[in-house]
Amino acid sequence: EAQVTQNPRYLITVTGKKLTVTCSQNMNHEYMSWYRQDPGLGLRQIYYSMNVEVTDKGDVPEGYKVSRKEKRNFPLILESPSPNQTSLYFCASSSGGPKNQPQHFGDGTRLSIL
Amino acid sequence: GDSVTQMEGPVTLSEEAFLTINCTYTATGYPSLFWYVQYPGEGLQLLLKATKADDKGSNKGFEATYRKETTSFHLEKGSVQVSDSAVYFCALRESNYQLIWGAGTKLIIKP
Repeated sequence: EAQVTQNPRYLITVTGKKLTVTCSQNMNHEYMSWYRQDPGLGLRQIYYSMNVEVTDKGDVPEGYKVSRKEKRNFPLILESPSPNQTSLYFCASSSGGPKNQPQHFGDGTRLSIL
Repeated sequence: GDSVTQMEGPVTLSEEAFLTINCTYTATGYPSLFWYVQYPGEGLQLLLKATKADDKGSNKGFEATYRKETTSFHLEKGSVQVSDSAVYFCALRESNYQLIWGAGTKLIIKP
């Protein structure tokens, strides 16, 4: 089954404790992206990757890191989380080529930073 | 730059009512247009799409027509159900990989 898998689904942690949210897709997609979703602000893109070893900042990259060592994986790293990073996070992937290709989303990761 | 504007929510309707959620866009070229739906506690799912002017996307009783002359892609459904309660996002994609998102519209259907 084609899917984007995020882990963990829920995490409560404390300020300053490094954490990683994993994202994996099994569709051989070139493009992967991280978003955060906050009430009243819709979806905001954090980072994206056009292919292996190619990453770029989105609209709200501060406080986050990503890596793309393999095509299927695109982890999101919070080196020193802060309470303003409490949010719902989504990973997405899509194929390149025609612009009619939609993005496929994971089920989300709800992070609470105390 | 490109942008997508959706009507603000929440939109509250009774079951079997007619639904319209407005979406307008600005784009330099000829984008593809999408509607995504997010049910409570879930991720976003593609609802429908249209790739060129006058195309109509449809799925699960929902429809949207790509109107280039009015730069719009309004979502409609003739008779909504309680199970349609969700957040609906309009988005566009130009020639690169990026999706430009609307802010989302929360739909509440009362029995």
